[in-house]
Amino acid sequence: DGGITQSPKYLFRKEGQNVTLSCEQNLNHDAMYWYRQDPGQGLRLIYYSQIVNDFQKGDIAEGYSVSREKKESFPLTVTSAQKNPTAFYLCASSIGGLAGGTGELFFGEGSRLTVL
Amino acid sequence: GQQLNQSPQSMFIQEGEDVSMNCTSSSIFNTWLWYKQDPGEGPVLLIALYKAGELTSNGRLTAQFGITRKDSFLNISASIPSDVGIYFCAGGIQGAQKLVFGQGTRLTINP
Repeated sequence: DGGITQSPKYLFRKEGQNVTLSCEQNLNHDAMYWYRQDPGQGLRLIYYSQIVNDFQKGDIAEGYSVSREKKESFPLTVTSAQKNPTAFYLCASSIGGLAGGTGELFFGEGSRLTVL
Repeated sequence: GQQLNQSPQSMFIQEGEDVSMNCTSSSIFNTWLWYKQDPGEGPVLLIALYKAGELTSNGRLTAQFGITRKDSFLNISASIPSDVGIYFCAGGIQGAQKLVFGQGTRLTINP
């Protein structure tokens, strides 16, 4: 079945450690996105990528890094510079990106990161 | 940046009741989308709206794209237990490359 797979679903990290969240899609979508979700808040955009080997900062990129070496993969690294990393992280993809596409995002099931 | 004000933040209703929630903004959007998120899962698209004044239904769900392009509402008729979850509105601006999300409406249904 086509879809977006995020892993791991749950992750615990000690302060000062970097951690990488995986996101893989087999929908053949051009664009991929990372959002952060905190209780009582909407989804906030961390990074997005319209094509391979290119990505842009979203609204809250500080303390995060990404890469887009393959069309189907868009891993997110939460670095030790992120001051409050405990959150639910959502990866999404869309056809053709939001500018030329329908704007519809397809989401993975999320990864919950807890910093101990 | 753009912000969406979604209300209410939470709703507690009885099974069978109708539900109404809305999103407003000071900015104009070209696209309005409504998503539902179940606990521990990613949001799933319910309805997409692309034209001012558009009224679209998906089963018991009905959503409208406000004529001013600054608001949208979602109605759920005859609620059932599986309607429980968090509903998000999202607005898209052509060329902006990203969606703006509302804070969500948490729906709880008492059987």
